[in-house]
Amino acid sequence: DIVMTQTPLFLPVTPGEPASMSCRSGQSLFHSDNKKTFLDWYLQKPGQSPQLLIHTLFYRASGVPDRFSGSGSGTNFTLKISRVEAEDFGLYYCMQRRVFPYTFGQGTKLEIK
Amino acid sequence: QVQLQEAGPGLVKPSQTLSLTCTVSGNSITSGDYYWTWIRQLPGKGLEWIGCILSSGNTYYNPSLESRVTISLDTSKNHFSLRLTSVTAADTAVYYCARTYGGLDYWGRGTLVTVSS
Repeated sequence: DIVMTQTPLFLPVTPGEPASMSCRSGQSLFHSDNKKTFLDWYLQKPGQSPQLLIHTLFYRASGVPDRFSGSGSGTNFTLKISRVEAEDFGLYYCMQRRVFPYTFGQGTKLEIK
Repeated sequence: QVQLQEAGPGLVKPSQTLSLTCTVSGNSITSGDYYWTWIRQLPGKGLEWIGCILSSGNTYYNPSLESRVTISLDTSKNHFSLRLTSVTAADTAVYYCARTYGGLDYWGRGTLVTVSS
């Protein structure tokens, strides 16, 4: 299985400030056939299901604000929030879809500073 | 608007079989290149991908659960199902169904299944 490692585990941020979190995979998530990188980002708020933010490295899901951006390559990935808003606080997960079984990182908790 | 809804018993006895269904509305489970997926979240823990089924009926399972898991489609009811046999307390979790298409783009609300005698 591909191990996904997220850092930091806790990220205190003041609303209005930027935030950045990282995800590393145990092997490359780049698919040479279609030139895509199969890395997604999800946000889970307390008591809710996870929601898709970014798929396939940098594509924002429908309705996701453009303050969210995904980047990276190979085995190292970053989710950035340009200016954190109150609705952004929660648990962020990265997930790889390069091979079965899909695997998730352990999560980064974005919390109010 | 695509919606998914899990249903099934909230309490299962050890060694018995956990059975859940996921009813899909707004999308036929037999159309398109979708992967109909089950994920679970152990109490206070992260997310674990259980497996998925394609509209063709092909299935892919997590090797850690493969010997106990079956995912199937019921096209007449537009739902897909999860069966997990020989459950133990370690299978207590919130079980989610989701659609995979460029990411897990639609999720159910999740259902808590507790394994206890």
